[in-house]
Amino acid sequence: SQKIEQNSEALNIQEGKTATLTCNYTNYSPAYLQWYRQDPGRGPVFLLLIRENEKEKRKERLKVTFDTTLKQSLFHITASQPADSATYLCALSEAGTALIFGKGTTLSVSS
Amino acid sequence: NAGVTQTPKFRVLKTGQSMTLLCAQDMNHEYMYWYRQDPGMGLRLIHYSVGEGTTAKGEVPDGYNVSRLKKQNFLLGLESAAPSQTSVYFCASSYSYRGLAATDTQYFGPGTRLTVL
Repeated sequence: SQKIEQNSEALNIQEGKTATLTCNYTNYSPAYLQWYRQDPGRGPVFLLLIRENEKEKRKERLKVTFDTTLKQSLFHITASQPADSATYLCALSEAGTALIFGKGTTLSVSS
Repeated sequence: NAGVTQTPKFRVLKTGQSMTLLCAQDMNHEYMYWYRQDPGMGLRLIHYSVGEGTTAKGEVPDGYNVSRLKKQNFLLGLESAAPSQTSVYFCASSYSYRGLAATDTQYFGPGTRLTVL
């Protein structure tokens, strides 16, 4: 069966450390992966997209990797801050199909 | 630009009542979506629309109907609400998910929290 799994429901780290969130998928051949941030009581907000032929994407303190052999995407936040505390969702799409979302990982950054 | 707006923000219904959730976007997006988000289940697609006058079923369409009479609006209807429809509903829009450059980056509304008693 097809699955998209974000391995940790919750991740707690200290301010200044690098947070690494994992997204694994099974029986999909995604054309691209996206990462969204969701704050409590708000809708998800798009952060980054990485295509199947890209290994890595960066945006300020954010970095996403995509390994189609491992069927995995990693999302990194460097020099994390308490303001980075939120739920992060990964989502994938095969060519011509709608986005499928993971259940999310809740990140808590303590000062 | 307001982006994606949803009306109402909160609603409480009794079992069997009906209601319509309204979604509006001012970004001239072709595609619009309705999701529900439940604890432990993540975002699940209910219905979507690839253009004015068109709709299609998503992962969990039962008990819901939709209409897209105008490009900027996407309505989600519950004809006879059930407690299992208690959820947070999100509307989203995107430019397109077809074509070489399409990425289906979605813009979400703030959500409607619906409770069915």
